[in-house]
Amino acid sequence: GAGVSQSPSNKVTEKGKDVELRCDPISGHTALYWYRQRLGQGLEFLIYFQGNSAPDKSGLPSDRFSAERTGESVSTLTIQRTQQEDSAVYLCASSSRTGGGDTQYFGPGTRLTVL
Amino acid sequence: EDQVTQSPEALRLQEGESSSLNCSYTVSGLRGLFWYRQDPGKGPEFLFTLYSAGEEKEKERLKATLTKKESFLHITAPKPEDSATYLCAVLAGTALIFGKGTTLSVSS
Repeated sequence: GAGVSQSPSNKVTEKGKDVELRCDPISGHTALYWYRQRLGQGLEFLIYFQGNSAPDKSGLPSDRFSAERTGESVSTLTIQRTQQEDSAVYLCASSSRTGGGDTQYFGPGTRLTVL
Repeated sequence: EDQVTQSPEALRLQEGESSSLNCSYTVSGLRGLFWYRQDPGKGPEFLFTLYSAGEEKEKERLKATLTKKESFLHITAPKPEDSATYLCAVLAGTALIFGKGTTLSVSS
């Protein structure tokens, strides 16, 4: 079956523009994670969706970041008024067990470059 | 304050020299502890989830264990291809808290 997919794979944008990143999890996976990894830096947690529960947004870097997920399907991560510091690879992962457990399957990531 | 600390920051081993990586945590409401591996320039690879003290999981040369205060990632007879950065993260409530990682280098 298909794995986790993300689009676009690459995005170059100008400072101040809004961008929307998409993640298609594996069908039936209840948990979905968004991460960010800046060049040469460690993995940074952004937000986690579990079923229909309200996500904890405290990991989002600023109020310019928002994320949505409808049920157990696609998720979008939106960055408004992008800044150069937002340049990073944005990774999505999904897993099938309540509590975020078992194997997380990562998507290939979206490389965002803000000029 | 919820905190996850990994040690050592870096570890150099000879091929076949077994060792352990540590992940200690102070969080309220532990829902799970995750181990990842990441090779330079590549995306992360998920290794294990542990849910409760006493739980153990194994995969090839790796074995992860969990107590109420820490987790260990035991590497038995490592090979050069085990060289990577190993990350630990704790799911507390609905937030995932990462440690800074341990960079493992295994030489032949």
